[in-house]
Amino acid sequence: DAKTTQPPSMDCAEGRAANLPCNHSTISGNEYVYWYRQIHSQGPQYIIHGLKNNETNEMASLIITEDRKSSTLILPHATLRDTAVYYCIVSHAGGTSYGKLTFGQGTILTVHP
Amino acid sequence: DTEVTQTPKHLVMGMTNKKSLKCEQHMGHRAMYWYKQKAKKPPELMFVYSYEKLSINESVPSRFSPECPNSSLLNLHLHALQPEDSALYLCASSQRQGVGSGANVLTFGAGSRLTVL
Repeated sequence: DAKTTQPPSMDCAEGRAANLPCNHSTISGNEYVYWYRQIHSQGPQYIIHGLKNNETNEMASLIITEDRKSSTLILPHATLRDTAVYYCIVSHAGGTSYGKLTFGQGTILTVHP
Repeated sequence: DTEVTQTPKHLVMGMTNKKSLKCEQHMGHRAMYWYKQKAKKPPELMFVYSYEKLSINESVPSRFSPECPNSSLLNLHLHALQPEDSALYLCASSQRQGVGSGANVLTFGAGSRLTVL
């Protein structure tokens, strides 16, 4: 699976948009970008995924660049409960490694009042 | 039911004990996973079962023994553990692994926190 690079930490004011970047410059054509988050001492929680197009759901938006070498997770109106470690993961869409998620170091997002 | 349930939530064991961690899902998923997470580190994959067969073993020591009795249950048997094995053990499930294609979203349980004395 392609390796991802994320900033170690970010801050955001409550009510503002949080934009979390991820670099995955070695991504291949059959790899999805997934975002998960982990609130302290809980299991990781799925947020969103995408292949080529931008995606939006009730939690967040995912913007993938045209060359697919980077992406940005957007939390439109961050709340204190969004404070967590956010993981950007690239994973194969088929083959024997299909479904295998390898976590990187992630970004610690702290939302301030 | 969209949950993965792990028991026990906390476990303390000595190095000579034998214990088991249990994981259950009723989402009809055919792939189940064990991850290990040390403090302030990301989760690390240990094992994957696909259609009740061991699909991936990430070179885990034999003192950890996984078992998948049926498509809804996953166990992790623990024997002769070391203090450095103390960690949060996470179970996850997904629709499938290793077969098929497309997106594959994992649903994680809350974890079992293991302390080895």
